[in-house]
Amino acid sequence: GESVGLHLPTLSVQEGDNSIINCAYSNSASDYFIWYKQESGKGPQFIIDIRSNMDKRQGQRVTVLLNKTVKHLSLQIAATQPGDSAVYFCAENKGGNYQLIWGAGTKLIIKP
Amino acid sequence: DAGVIQSPRHEVTEMGQEVTLRCKPISGHNSLFWYRQTMMRGLELLIYFNNNVPIDDSGMPEDRFSAKMPNASFSTLKIQPSEPRDSAVYFCASSFRGGSTEAFFGQGTRLTVV
Repeated sequence: GESVGLHLPTLSVQEGDNSIINCAYSNSASDYFIWYKQESGKGPQFIIDIRSNMDKRQGQRVTVLLNKTVKHLSLQIAATQPGDSAVYFCAENKGGNYQLIWGAGTKLIIKP
Repeated sequence: DAGVIQSPRHEVTEMGQEVTLRCKPISGHNSLFWYRQTMMRGLELLIYFNNNVPIDDSGMPEDRFSAKMPNASFSTLKIQPSEPRDSAVYFCASSFRGGSTEAFFGQGTRLTVV
């Protein structure tokens, strides 16, 4: 289903290469920074999060990096696969509050 | 668990009609969220329930929108009367605790108001 704006940033990556998706956040007081993946026709799916007191966290094939100095968050996907094609959203969670503040999203396209 | 279940998956209705969207959260989760997603505005939080109680409905766009959670396993989002600008994908999500970053989303309801 349609889930992104007409001007959504797009990243095209060759299958097997590493992908790096970037996000700038606004609130220095956010407690958690999160990455979600949304495939076409589906709801967003949690990938990984990182607390504000960390600068790196690794999951399965994914690594999230947090640079609080420049308020920058990135998601690295190793050995990108066709199933990684989706829109990736960063979000921030303010100090234990329930509310997630969502970024606009980046569309990841995998080239065969 | 089957995950968050939403119904219907698709709804097409005429302007002025009442629309009711339904959600069954994951069993054991105590927080429930209704989101709206459009191309223009992205993901917007409409309302948040904790332990069946509405905590924040500041995202509900107008009085035409209302949401209820009569018990821990069911919630509805109602639009009355519906307008074309309400056309969007509506997502329900649930999580175990209010501050959790891991919310589980349903498949969404694509609403088209003509």
